[in-house]
Amino acid sequence: DTEVTQTPKHLVMGMTNKKSLKCEQHMGHRAMYWYKQKAKKPPELMFVYSYEKLSINESVPSRFSPECPNSSLLNLHLHALQPEDSALYLCASSQGRDSLQWEKLFFGSGTQLSVL
Amino acid sequence: GQSLEQPSEVTAVEGAIVQINCTYQTSGFYGLSWYQQHDGGAPTFLSYNALDGLEETGRFSSFLSRSDSYGYLLLQELQMKDSASYFCAVRIYSGGYQKVTFGTGTKLQVIP
Repeated sequence: DTEVTQTPKHLVMGMTNKKSLKCEQHMGHRAMYWYKQKAKKPPELMFVYSYEKLSINESVPSRFSPECPNSSLLNLHLHALQPEDSALYLCASSQGRDSLQWEKLFFGSGTQLSVL
Repeated sequence: GQSLEQPSEVTAVEGAIVQINCTYQTSGFYGLSWYQQHDGGAPTFLSYNALDGLEETGRFSSFLSRSDSYGYLLLQELQMKDSASYFCAVRIYSGGYQKVTFGTGTKLQVIP
């Protein structure tokens, strides 16, 4: 199984809503990531979890709250988002540090988020 | 700061060869990767160079020159399905951890 599964595939939410994005992988990868991608732009790193601990937060606003309940799951909790937060949110995983496979990211198909 | 620059668009003919360049300025550089992303799809890993030289994977090859902070992706025998966006990416060391940052991206259009 070389899949990263993200749900939901599409999400429309109002600025006062609370929602969560979910990501799951069963490849035994110990590093998991959230990226944000706007149309015609590269993915932008938001968060990195390494061995279930938050290792990198790229100065992301607190209305985005990541969570890693276990080594296979990654969540992104959303609250009080702004219309400019509308984007494709991509989850990825990789083997983890000290591995030649560290740099190979496996991406999920993403959640297309629209904030109204 | 860091930057990874790519041409924004490239057009090539089916069956031909195309080269997509990437120039980078980073600190704590480990290596250069390449990803392909079709419209509406997820990025997929193509290749990785940690050392100078050429890496070949089927129709795709990737090259790195660390002294020039430059790399390229070479696609041979182009097929229509190769029409996609291509991103270079660098793995860098930051604050005790490693992260992967993507270049500006090149949209490749393959024409008959």
